[in-house]
Amino acid sequence: DTGVSQNPRHKITKRGQNVTFRCDPISEHNRLYWYRQTLGQGPEFLTYFQNEAQLEKSRLLSDRFSAERPKGSFSTLEIQRTEQGDSAMYLCASSFGVRTAGQGALRGGELFFGEGSRLTVL
Amino acid sequence: KQEVTQIPAALSVPEGENLVLNCSFTDSAIYNLQWFRQDPGKGLTSLLLIQSSQREQTSGRLNASLDKSSGRSTLYIAASQPGDSATYLCAVRLANAGNMLTFGGGTRLMVKP
Repeated sequence: DTGVSQNPRHKITKRGQNVTFRCDPISEHNRLYWYRQTLGQGPEFLTYFQNEAQLEKSRLLSDRFSAERPKGSFSTLEIQRTEQGDSAMYLCASSFGVRTAGQGALRGGELFFGEGSRLTVL
Repeated sequence: KQEVTQIPAALSVPEGENLVLNCSFTDSAIYNLQWFRQDPGKGLTSLLLIQSSQREQTSGRLNASLDKSSGRSTLYIAASQPGDSATYLCAVRLANAGNMLTFGGGTRLMVKP
């Protein structure tokens, strides 16, 4: 299976604990994204990496959240001092960067998502 | 700020019906639009990607159209099957505004045998 892989798939933790999720993107993809999805809602953007550089961060990504992609391959998302409001599905996606003719800027293509990591904070 | 709305929020149809799911967005300056399927408790599966220069894309029984000027996309599912039961999400990427997708709330589809 060469799709996007996320682990753990489920995490139950007590309020105040730290948790870390890992994402392994499709190997040829240089772009990696984190999204958060709560029950009954569409996913919300958290952050985006191109190779190892974190290029965009949402205001949803409070100072308790940190994401890394140290070697431009896998990524980790850490949540410190978890709160009950952090309970959600954390989704990772990856894509190619596609150079658009005439713009000179790399633009992302089709996103492929992993199965997600579901966090429950008690 | 881009807002994406999907109507209806839920839909129940008998097997075999053709159906249309709607997606509307407020900012027409989009780069592309992507339709996804999500099964309960699972991740998202990409169905179709429409670039801003395209009017429609087809894959099997699925056809997605894009009308940028009116800020609308539709996903047409032909001859629906119980296995099509899932939540369908549309997502829009703005042009010249970063790489984030803005998602609608989804349409929960149930196809009854």
